[in-house]
Amino acid sequence: DAGITQSPRHKVTETGTPVTLRCHQTENHRYMYWYRQDPGHGLRLIHYSYGVKDTDKGEVSDGYSVSRSKTEDFLLTLESATSSQTSVYFCAIGTSNEQFFGPGTRLTVL
Amino acid sequence: DQQVKQNSPSLSVQEGRISILNCDYTNSMFDYFLWYKKYPAEGPTFLISISSIKDKNEDGRFTVFLNKSAKHLSLHIVPSQPGDSAVYFCAASENQGAQKLVFGQGTRLTINP
Repeated sequence: DAGITQSPRHKVTETGTPVTLRCHQTENHRYMYWYRQDPGHGLRLIHYSYGVKDTDKGEVSDGYSVSRSKTEDFLLTLESATSSQTSVYFCAIGTSNEQFFGPGTRLTVL
Repeated sequence: DQQVKQNSPSLSVQEGRISILNCDYTNSMFDYFLWYKKYPAEGPTFLISISSIKDKNEDGRFTVFLNKSAKHLSLHIVPSQPGDSAVYFCAASENQGAQKLVFGQGTRLTINP
C-alpha cells in the first residue's frame, strides 16, 4: 500500500452545509491531488498541490477549496454542498512518474 | 470536451484469451500515458505507463502500445485471468510526468471462465 488514507469513507449531508474531506499520507510525497469520479466521466481533477501551501486548480474546481498546511495532509472543502457534488472523491499522492490513490470517500448531498 | 476517450464502456473476454482495451486522445501535448485498474469500492491502482518517446512497453502479462500519429494507445492483457475483471482507465499528461492526469471514462472488462 502507498500509505494513503481518506476520511470519512462515507458521508451523507444536506444541501448548503459545509463539508471537509481529509487525505493523509505517510509517504512524504510532494504531490497530492483530489479527484472526483462520476459515471461517464472517469476521474476528473479538482485541485492539486505541489507542496505545503502550494496549491492550484484542476479541471472541475468550482465550488471546492483545498488547503495543505502539512506535507502529510491535504484537505478538500465544499463550502456549501450542492446535489451536483454527490460523487466519489479520491485523493492521490504522487511521484514524477506515478500517482497512488486512496480508497475513496462516497459523498451524498441530499 | 473529452481529451481522453475510451469508447468502449464494456468488454467481455474468455479466460486465457487476449484482452485489448483502447484509448484515444485529442491533445497533441500529451506525452506520458498510464493505465489504471479499479475494483469496486477501491481506489485505482497503477498498471503500466509509456512515454511518448516509446511505442511499446511491457510488464508481464500487460503491454501498452502507443501510436502517436493516430493519437491512440491500447492495453493488451495476455492471457486474461478472472482477477483481471475490473474497470480500466487510461490517463494522459504533459511534461513527461504523472502530474495533472486527464482520465478517460473507463472500460469495464469482464473475464468469463
